[in-house]
Amino acid sequence: AQSVSQHNHHVILSEAASLELGCNYSYGGTVNLFWYVQYPGQHLQLLLKYFSGDPLVKGIKGFEAEFIKSKFSFNLRKPSVQWSDTAEYFCAVTPGAGNNRKLIWGLGTSLAVNP
Amino acid sequence: KAGVTQTPRYLIKTRGQQVTLSCSPISGHRSVSWYQQTPGQGLQFLFEYFSETQRNKGNFPGRFSGRQFSNSRSEMNVSTLELGDSALYLCASSSSDRGNSPLHFGNGTRLTVT
Repeated sequence: AQSVSQHNHHVILSEAASLELGCNYSYGGTVNLFWYVQYPGQHLQLLLKYFSGDPLVKGIKGFEAEFIKSKFSFNLRKPSVQWSDTAEYFCAVTPGAGNNRKLIWGLGTSLAVNP
Repeated sequence: KAGVTQTPRYLIKTRGQQVTLSCSPISGHRSVSWYQQTPGQGLQFLFEYFSETQRNKGNFPGRFSGRQFSNSRSEMNVSTLELGDSALYLCASSSSDRGNSPLHFGNGTRLTVT
C-alpha cells in the first residue's frame, strides 16, 4: 500500500537553528508532493508543493524542500528557524498524474522552537 | 475571500446515531474533499467531490457518505456511529480537480462519539 513516512515525530530547536524534516513515500510512479503546516489554533495551510520541474522548491516563510526521486524523498528545510515556526508539519503525496486528489499523508512532525 | 467554513465546530453524539457535517468551500472552488484526522491514523482521505460528482473515495465503510450541491457546498454523513468514529473531520476545497492543485482547509468539525 502507498504510504508516507515522516521520520521525526517531535523536534525541539532553539531559534536560529537549522531545520530538516524528513519525508519518504512509497510509490514508484509520478507523484505530486506537498508540505502543509498547521500553526497552533489555525487550519492546515500549504507550505510548498512540487509536481514537476526544478526539484528544489521554495515555499512561504523561507522554507524549501528538495525532491530526490532516487530516494523517494521530499525533505523540508529552513536554514534558520524562528519561534513563529512552532507548528505541526505534514508531508503529503498524490500518486499519479491527472486528477487524482486522494492525498496520502504522513503522521506529522511537531516542531517546537524555543526563543 | 472568505475561507472554507465547516459547521458545526463541535459535536457530541451517542453510538448508533447518525450525524451530518457541513462544508462551504471558498467562493468559486468546485472541488471539495473530506478527511478524517485521528491521533493514531493521522489524516485519511474520505472522498472528493467535483461539480456534484464523487470523483474519488477512500477506504471507509459505506456508513460514511457525502454529497455536493450545485452551489459547491458539501455535506458528509456518518450513520450508525461507532466509538472509533470520534475524530476531527476536515473539509478542503480547491479551485481545480487537478492532483497538483493545493487544498484550502477549514478548521474542522470535532466529533465525539460516546
